[in-house]
Amino acid sequence: KQEVTQIPAALSVPEGENLVLNCSFTDSAIYNLQWFRQDPGKGLTSLLLIQSSQREQTSGRLNASLDKSSGRSTLYIAASQPGDSATYLCAVRPDSNYQLIWGAGTKLIIKP
Amino acid sequence: EAGVAQSPRYKIIEKRQSVAFWCNPISGHATLYWYQQILGQGPKLLIQFQNNGVVDDSQLPKDRFSAERLKGVDSTLKIQPAKLEDSAVYLCASGGAGRSTGELFFGEGSRLTVL
Repeated sequence: KQEVTQIPAALSVPEGENLVLNCSFTDSAIYNLQWFRQDPGKGLTSLLLIQSSQREQTSGRLNASLDKSSGRSTLYIAASQPGDSATYLCAVRPDSNYQLIWGAGTKLIIKP
Repeated sequence: EAGVAQSPRYKIIEKRQSVAFWCNPISGHATLYWYQQILGQGPKLLIQFQNNGVVDDSQLPKDRFSAERLKGVDSTLKIQPAKLEDSAVYLCASGGAGRSTGELFFGEGSRLTVL
């Protein structure tokens, strides 16, 4: 049974730092992995989607990597800003027709 | 391109009352999902539709929750009667089907408070 873990549950860093958020999954047989951002009281915004055949995806200051053999994905945020403060969730899709398996998220606080 | 639309954004009801949430997915998206998200947790899938058919409703509390997507476009989720533990954000998401990338797009959510 696929399980997704995000550690730490919360992270606070000074503005300007580069940082890495972690996502671990137990079964390497996945269809894709998606990173989302959630602001308080809001819905989820899709950040990056990595297909099973890909190693990384980039969008602006964000870079997501995927290592299926080790069951890990990382979300790298460069030059962090206070506006990056949010909860970041990763979700794994085991199969094209299967529901997403979610991590509990990492709450990120960027201090000015 | 318009995103996923949900309404209402907020709803406060007393226990044993009923409530309905509406979702309009991104145009052309065949797959529609309803999730329940309790504070501090990841989303929990309630029901998944493909067009107007149910793909997965295994975690939907069918004694009190119901959902429909009659014309394969917009969808409603109903709770009757509501319990205190139903207080949560109800998220609607849509995605392509078949050879799509499998990417999901979410609405702003409907926050339910049951008193």
